[in-house]
Formats: sequence, structure tokens, C-alpha cells
Amino acid sequence: DAKTTQPNSMESNEEEPVHLPCNHSTISGTDYIHWYRQLPSQGPEYVIHGLTSNVNNRMASLAIAEDRKSSTLILHRATLRDAAVYYCILRALWETSGSRLTFGEGTQLTVNP
Amino acid sequence: EAQVTQNPRYLITVTGKKLTVTCSQNMNHEYMSWYRQDPGLGLRQIYYSMNVEVTDKGDVPEGYKVSRKEKRNFPLILESPSPNQTSLYFCASSPQGATQYFGPGTRLTVL
Repeated sequence: DAKTTQPNSMESNEEEPVHLPCNHSTISGTDYIHWYRQLPSQGPEYVIHGLTSNVNNRMASLAIAEDRKSSTLILHRATLRDAAVYYCILRALWETSGSRLTFGEGTQLTVNP
Repeated sequence: EAQVTQNPRYLITVTGKKLTVTCSQNMNHEYMSWYRQDPGLGLRQIYYSMNVEVTDKGDVPEGYKVSRKEKRNFPLILESPSPNQTSLYFCASSPQGATQYFGPGTRLTVL
């Protein structure tokens, strides 16, 4: 399975942008890049996913490198509520919803007031 | 409100006393699964179900049972709990597609 590498922790100030990196140098051409986050004392929640092009939604943006070996989750204006563990996960195109999500250790994001 | 619910949220029990953690979703999702989360090990899948009466083992199924008699419910059963099953448990559901929706978690302590 292709693996992802994320920093253990990052820190940001409230209302500033945050760029969370993820390296996936062994990604295959059919792997989607997914991001989930887990707030304290809650279950993981879906953030965003993409294949090749950059993606935007109401929560965040996903910037994918041209060679797809890395990606960056962008929170445009961090709030205290964004303090969470962020997971970058690869998922093959052929996988149905029946397959599992393989979570690594993720990045613990601290947001300072 | 679309959601996955789990009960109980917290449970302390003793070794060998059978218990059931319930999971219910109101989104008509076909797929449901159970994970456990342990420090340093991340989330690991225990069992999953593709639809009613269809279940299969995940990565760490030993000591657990599941059933899927109705689409909305997917209970996790520990017939004879042991201390190594002390963990944080999450239920998840998904429609056909990538996004999984997780419940709030059940913190289980087995003494």
C-alpha cells in the first residue's frame, strides 16, 4: 500500500492561513488523496479529497503537486475549532465504500488565540 | 439531522461480562464498519458490512462479533471482554463512494 508522511505537529495563529503538508511519493495513478480530521473527543470527519486537480470546498482547499507526490491541505483562516488531528489518506480509485480507511498518525494542529 | 449514533458513549465493565455497543445511522447507507483507536496504533478496522446480512472481518476481528439484520443498525458484540479490548471504538457508515461518516465514539474500559 502506498504510504503517506505527515509532520507530527504544527502550530498556527487564529485567523491565519494554515498549510498542512502530506508526502506520498509512492502514490499510484489511481489513488485519490483524502483528508479527514479528528477534533478532540470526536470521531473523524471528512474534509476533502482529490485526484489531480486542486479542489475547494467550504471547509478547505486541497493543492496537489503536479507529480502528485505531495499535497497540501489549506485552511484559509484558522479558527480555534480547527484544532484537531489531520489525516492524509490514499484510496484507490477501484475501492468501493466497503474498503477501510487506513489512518496513520496524522498531524496535530494547534491553533493559538 | 444525518448522523451516526453510538450507545453507550462510556462503559466500564469487568472481564468476561458480555456487552453490546449499538450503532445506528439514519442516512440509508449500505456500508457500515467498526474501528478501534489506540494510542500509537491509529484507527484499525474491526469488522465491516457491505449491506444487510453481509459482514466481513477487518484487520483486528478477534474477540468481536457483529450482525447486520437491518440496514440502519450494526451492533458490536464482545462475548467475553478482556482488558486488551479497552479502547475507543468508532462506528462509521458510507454510501457508495469515498466519504465515511463516523459516530461520536464509545470509550470502553475492561477491568
